[in-house]
Amino acid sequence: QSALTQPASVSGSPGQSITISCTGTSSDVGGYNYVSWYQQHPGKAPKLMIYDVSNRPSGVSNRFSGSKSGNTASLSISGLQAEDEADYYCSSYTSSSTVVFGGGTKLTVL
Amino acid sequence: QVQLQESGPGLVKPSQTLSLTCTVSGGSISSGSYYWSWIRQPAGKGLEWIGRIYTSGSTNYNPSLKSRVTISVDTSKNQFSLKLSSVTAADTAVYYCARWPKQLNYGMDVWGQGTTVTVSS
Repeated sequence: QSALTQPASVSGSPGQSITISCTGTSSDVGGYNYVSWYQQHPGKAPKLMIYDVSNRPSGVSNRFSGSKSGNTASLSISGLQAEDEADYYCSSYTSSSTVVFGGGTKLTVL
Repeated sequence: QVQLQESGPGLVKPSQTLSLTCTVSGGSISSGSYYWSWIRQPAGKGLEWIGRIYTSGSTNYNPSLKSRVTISVDTSKNQFSLKLSSVTAADTAVYYCARWPKQLNYGMDVWGQGTTVTVSS
């Protein structure tokens, strides 16, 4: 299984909105609504931000939203804040009952 | 509140077997409502899923690691474990354990803090 494709970096100013894309195949992202997104600050464990494409766990800000079109999933963050600066990883369940992650995107808040 | 804690040797010699344990506290590992996963992250690199286990003992593994990986569960100790055989320097990473609720089709909602394993002679 190949890693999902994410941009290496994105940036935005406080208050702005950004979107991170995550491209897979029909065997993973495109085949199921089973995509999740994780936020990881340096030296910390990943934190679940979105599950099943567009659902937010309790306690996650509604500034975070997820969507999917075809083989590409997206994470959007509105009203950027300094604390949003982190690495973001997408992940998908696959047709082989396994999991694949994206390579990660570094978000810089300018 | 459920917490996960990884434990095991921080240094493993090449060709040996890496063994880690994840202890679940604040909840029962045998509730039947969760899968339990292992994920690793080499320094400065991305996340790699290793595999998962259900309390029945059913497992799924990353195809690239499948020949070397065994994940098991010990419900009496509220723990699940990872064994990775024939390790090389490429297996040096931070290893995380995580919980995957079945009610979420896919999402790992509770993670351990991670434990660093270095493969070196």
